[in-house]
Amino acid sequence: QEQLVESGGGVVQPGGSLRLSCATSRFTISKFGMNWVRQAPGKGLEWVAFIEYDGRKIQYADSVKGRFTVSRDTSKNIVYVQMNSLRPDDTAVYYCARGRGDPPQQFFDYWGQGTLVTVSS
Amino acid sequence: DIQMSQSPSSLSASVGDRVTITCRASQSVGAWLAWYQQKPGKAPNLLIYKASSLQSGVPSRFSGSGSGTEFTLTISSLQPDDFATYHCQQYNSYSPTFGQGTKVEIK
Repeated sequence: QEQLVESGGGVVQPGGSLRLSCATSRFTISKFGMNWVRQAPGKGLEWVAFIEYDGRKIQYADSVKGRFTVSRDTSKNIVYVQMNSLRPDDTAVYYCARGRGDPPQQFFDYWGQGTLVTVSS
Repeated sequence: DIQMSQSPSSLSASVGDRVTITCRASQSVGAWLAWYQQKPGKAPNLLIYKASSLQSGVPSRFSGSGSGTEFTLTISSLQPDDFATYHCQQYNSYSPTFGQGTKVEIK
């Protein structure tokens, strides 16, 4: 069973920053597109960001463009999302998800357990 | 972005019932449609991809159909473990989008 483990969530004030991490020891991230998907409390799922298997292509949802930055460290097999200028509507559980298929047609076959980000004063 | 709409938003059903959930896209997504099951406090779990392909390990009572703008997820005989929220997702572009979810509750 593949396993993704997110960390880095917490409570932050509006305008603040957080960096989330997604680690796995079960597969090599340089062979898969990796995504961040979030879910606000009681709401549906929202795709946030994507980094292609070779790191060349990165895409963001309009709601986070210019504020979030996705990156990866292939030596550590970790994917990150740096979240700046956080707003209350960024409050959500953030999931890391592995992409399957040839981009852009990728669905998500494995998900982490999620990490909660709360933006509040 | 392509908008996804699921119906119904919730339903009540009994063990053994046949359950059908519909997902509609605001424009054609071909067969690039996935279905996920999510239980409270847990991550989504992939059930179906490419509209009708069953993910490995998923029980055969789950099936998907459709193409273009209209898709269905069918559970042929609802089991106690199936009470959950179901999400559809289109992945026709670099901006994948999800439906709002359908909660399946015990009648």
